[in-house]
Amino acid sequence: DIQMTQSPSSVSASVGDRVTISCRASQGISSWLAWYQLKSGKAPKLLIYAASSLQSGVPSRFSGSGSGTDFTLTISSLQPEDFATYYCQQSNSFPITFGQGTRLEIK
Amino acid sequence: QLQLQESGPGLVKPSETLSLTCSVSGGSINRSSFYWGWIRQPPGKGLEWIGTMYFGGSTYSSPSLESRLTISVDTSKNQFFLRLSSVTAADTAVYYCTKGGLLLENWGQGTLVTVSS
Repeated sequence: DIQMTQSPSSVSASVGDRVTISCRASQGISSWLAWYQLKSGKAPKLLIYAASSLQSGVPSRFSGSGSGTDFTLTISSLQPEDFATYYCQQSNSFPITFGQGTRLEIK
Repeated sequence: QLQLQESGPGLVKPSETLSLTCSVSGGSINRSSFYWGWIRQPPGKGLEWIGTMYFGGSTYSSPSLESRLTISVDTSKNQFFLRLSSVTAADTAVYYCTKGGLLLENWGQGTLVTVSS
């Protein structure tokens, strides 16, 4: 199985800040990486696929980068609705595996 | 716009079978190119993949759950199902249904299932 390691586990930031979340795969997965946003009581949302492609309808302040084993999700200017938990997921092969999650909190 | 909605008992007794339904609206489940699956999140923990069914026939399952897991579909009702047998407290989680194979394009809101006597 491909292990995904995400960091940090939590981060505090303010509206307008730039935030970066990292994700590392235990083996090379080319660009087969996705990022999701989870909010309590809401359907989780696909933000980024293929490491850097923005899902339709997702604001352009979200961006993804990386390939091989190291990946990054960046939110360029935090908005109030962005405070949530974010997960990376390898989309290279079954079994599907996720990072441990990053909780983004208001400072 | 495709929407998924989970339903089922919120409380299941240990050793019994957990059964959930995912109702799909805004699109047909009856497409041979589509994948449908389940993810769960235990309280205070991260996301765990349960399994994915390819409408064409294959099912991919988490190795740790495979022996207890059944995923099936009813095209006449535009629904698909999760059955997890012999549950324990460790199966307590929010369960999400999803559309997509390796990429989870759409999710339901999730439903909490508690395993307790």
